[in-house]
Amino acid sequence: KQEVTQIPAALSVPEGENLVLNCSFTDSAIYNLQWFRQDPGKGLTSLLLIQSSQREQTSGRLNASLDKSSGRSTLYIAASQPGDSATYLCAVIGGANNLFFGTGTRLTVIP
Amino acid sequence: GAGVSQSPSNKVTEKGKDVELRCDPISGHTALYWYRQRLGQGLEFLIYFQGNSAPDKSGLPSDRFSAERTGESVSTLTIQRTQQEDSAVYLCASSPIAGGETQYFGPGTRLLVL
Repeated sequence: KQEVTQIPAALSVPEGENLVLNCSFTDSAIYNLQWFRQDPGKGLTSLLLIQSSQREQTSGRLNASLDKSSGRSTLYIAASQPGDSATYLCAVIGGANNLFFGTGTRLTVIP
Repeated sequence: GAGVSQSPSNKVTEKGKDVELRCDPISGHTALYWYRQRLGQGLEFLIYFQGNSAPDKSGLPSDRFSAERTGESVSTLTIQRTQQEDSAVYLCASSPIAGGETQYFGPGTRLLVL
């Protein structure tokens, strides 16, 4: 069974810093990988979707990379802002009907 | 209504009662997923519907859990004889097709079993 791990579990940085969130998965036979953001009391917000044939995706200040062979993905956030504070979830799609989620990284950006 | 909606937003029930959770997917989305997130844990896949195909029920934790979907519209997740361990946020998501498309999540239903 696919296992997804996210490190660190929590991260606190001052505003303006660049940061990297890590995601690793045990089964490299994935269909794609998705990063989500979860704010307290709200549903999940999809940030970036990387197809298995792609190496990275960018959206604004966010950049996600994927290395299938090593079972790793990173989410890079540039010039962090207090509004970026949330829990970030990595999800691996292992086929046509399943997402395997990590437990998330709780990010706090200090003004 | 452009997004996925779920109802109720919160539900408090007594142990042993049945509950029914509802999900309205985005119109035209053929795939629908139910997930559960217990406090301090990651998201767990429960069940998946794709068009008129037989649903993938592999994630349902016990036979107390069941779900239905009428065509490509609303879905209901039913939990019978609720237990305290069922307390969680139940999330529904839909996507235009199965597999590679982004999933769009609803706000969730927070279930508390006393």
